[in-house]
This record gives sequence, structure tokens and C-alpha cells, in this order.
Amino acid sequence: DAEITQSPRHKITETGRQVTLACHQTWNHNNMFWYRQDLGHGLRLIHYSYGVQDTNKGEVSDGYSVSRSNTEDLPLTLESAASSQTSVYFCASSEGLSSGQETQYFGPGTRLLVL
Amino acid sequence: DQQVKQNSPSLSVQEGRISILNCDYTNSMFDYFLWYKKYPAEGPTFLISISSIKDKNEDGRFTVFLNKSAKHLSLHIVPSQPGDSAVYFCAASGGSGNTGKLIFGQGTTLQVKP
Repeated sequence: DAEITQSPRHKITETGRQVTLACHQTWNHNNMFWYRQDLGHGLRLIHYSYGVQDTNKGEVSDGYSVSRSNTEDLPLTLESAASSQTSVYFCASSEGLSSGQETQYFGPGTRLLVL
Repeated sequence: DQQVKQNSPSLSVQEGRISILNCDYTNSMFDYFLWYKKYPAEGPTFLISISSIKDKNEDGRFTVFLNKSAKHLSLHIVPSQPGDSAVYFCAASGGSGNTGKLIFGQGTTLQVKP
């Protein structure tokens, strides 16, 4: 079965360290997204990609970067982790229909704690 | 500027009764709306959606209503079951610069009591 996976599921790091969260999907979806979930804010978009070599900034992109070298993967990098980046991170993917009216499918999440 | 709002952080209903979750939006260009359900320690899962050309969509116990003039949508769950206890997010997409992107509300925690 096609799926979307995230690793690690839990991560503890220190302020200032670089951290990379992995996201892998086997649906062959064109679109991939990274969100963070914080209490009172719902899911906020960090970065997204409409295809290989395409990346775009979302609502809360400061301090994060992504790269899309193939269809299946969109790793999220925290360049220098800050305590404000303690959160739960979700990756999602969607087919990439021209209408834009489509469902996004989410991974299980990565819980990140920055000390 | 919160374009999608869920003003009720929590809702508690008795098993067998109706649960009504509400969502308001401000961007009149949104043309597609979705509801996701999220259990603790899991990712959100798609529940039901509606296009702006419709005012109602039904799937089993779940019905979504869209009132475009009021910029309001609601999710009805009938009858509610304890397994429905979760956080529910509404999301919207559409308009310039939003193709394929979802804007989420803050979520409503539903508790269904046995």
C-alpha cells in the first residue's frame, strides 16, 4: 500500500544544532507540504513543493529550509534549532491536480523538542 | 490574520446525539473545504470535503454544510460515537496563490461521552 512516512518520530536536540526531518511518500504525488502544529494555532504551513526542484515558502518559513531532489522525498531542515521550534511537525502530500481541489494525506508526525 | 477560524476549542456531546462543529472563513475566493480528524500521536486523516458549487455533502454519519453567503461551514456527526472523540480541523483552499495549499483552522476537540 502507498503511504507517507516520517522519521524520526521523536527527536530531542539542543539550541543551535542543525536538524533534518525526513518525509517519504510512495504515492508518486507531485505536491508535498510541511506543517507544524502548535496549541491554539492549528496546522501552519512551513514550506511546500509542487514538484522536483520546486520549493516555496509558507506562512512560517523563517529558520527552515527544504529541498526536493526526487518525487518521493521532502526533507525539512532546521538550520539552527531554536526553542520556539519545539513543535509537532507533519508532512503531507497530494496528487497535484490543476484544479487544486484535492485531499492532502498526512504522515504520522515528528515530535521535536529543542532544549 | 486568521483566514479560517474554529471559534469553539472544545465540544462535549452524549453518545447517540448529534455533534455540530463549526468553521468560519474570510476569503471569498476559497472554493474547496475539507474536514480532517486527528487522534493523539497520529497524523490528521481526511474525513469529508465539499466544493463551493455545493451546499451539502454527506458520507455516512458525516455531513458537511456550506453557507457561502455567511462564509460558514459545519460538520454534523449523527449519531455520535465514543470513537469520534478527536480533534477536528477544517481547512480551505482556492484563490490566487493558494492552489493546492490548505489553510487550517485552530481545531475543535470533540469528546463523545458514553
